[in-house]
Amino acid sequence: DTGVSQDPRHKITKRGQNVTFRCDPISEHNRLYWYRQTLGQGPEFLTYFQNEAQLEKSRLLSDRFSAERPKGSFSTLEIQRTEQGDSAMYLCASSLAGRRANTEAFFGQGTRLTVV
Amino acid sequence: ELKVEQNPLFLSMQEGKNYTIYCNYSTTSDRLYWYRQDPGKSLESLFVLLSNGAVKQEGRLMASLDTKARLSTLHITAAVHDLSATYFCAVDPASTSGSRLTFGEGTQLTVNP
Repeated sequence: DTGVSQDPRHKITKRGQNVTFRCDPISEHNRLYWYRQTLGQGPEFLTYFQNEAQLEKSRLLSDRFSAERPKGSFSTLEIQRTEQGDSAMYLCASSLAGRRANTEAFFGQGTRLTVV
Repeated sequence: ELKVEQNPLFLSMQEGKNYTIYCNYSTTSDRLYWYRQDPGKSLESLFVLLSNGAVKQEGRLMASLDTKARLSTLHITAAVHDLSATYFCAVDPASTSGSRLTFGEGTQLTVNP
């Protein structure tokens, strides 16, 4: 499978616990994005990386959230001290950088987080 | 702040009928995407529209882009049940250099037999 891969697919955690999600992008893609999608809404941008550099963070990304892409390949998204409002689908996407025709973003299957 | 609005948000239609979903956006952009999402699943790319006047068709779906009006449409022809899903448009603002997308709220389409 050469698409965007996310792990785990589902995570149930108790409020206050920390969780970490992993995303493996399409191998030749240098950009990686994290989005969050709550029920009945469109995905909302959280952050993105170009190679290992984190270039932009949304104001949605509180200080309990941190994302890394240490070697410019896979990325992790950690949520500390989870709250019930963090329950959502966390989507990862990857693309090539730039505005050429082939820089479309491809999405992974997502990680569904439920905080109880 | 870029805003992307879709309408309708909910659409129930009979098989065989035609309908159009509209996507309006509030800032300059020459790149617009349409995605499909089935319940509990991720986003499947349908169309990439890269210039004013762009029109793309795949099966019973046709998408167009009018950058001057800041409007894209997704037209459904002779709907079938398999098209039931949520459809999102997403805009890549001209001010950014990649695919940092702003999504609409989605149009939940139900095609009834």
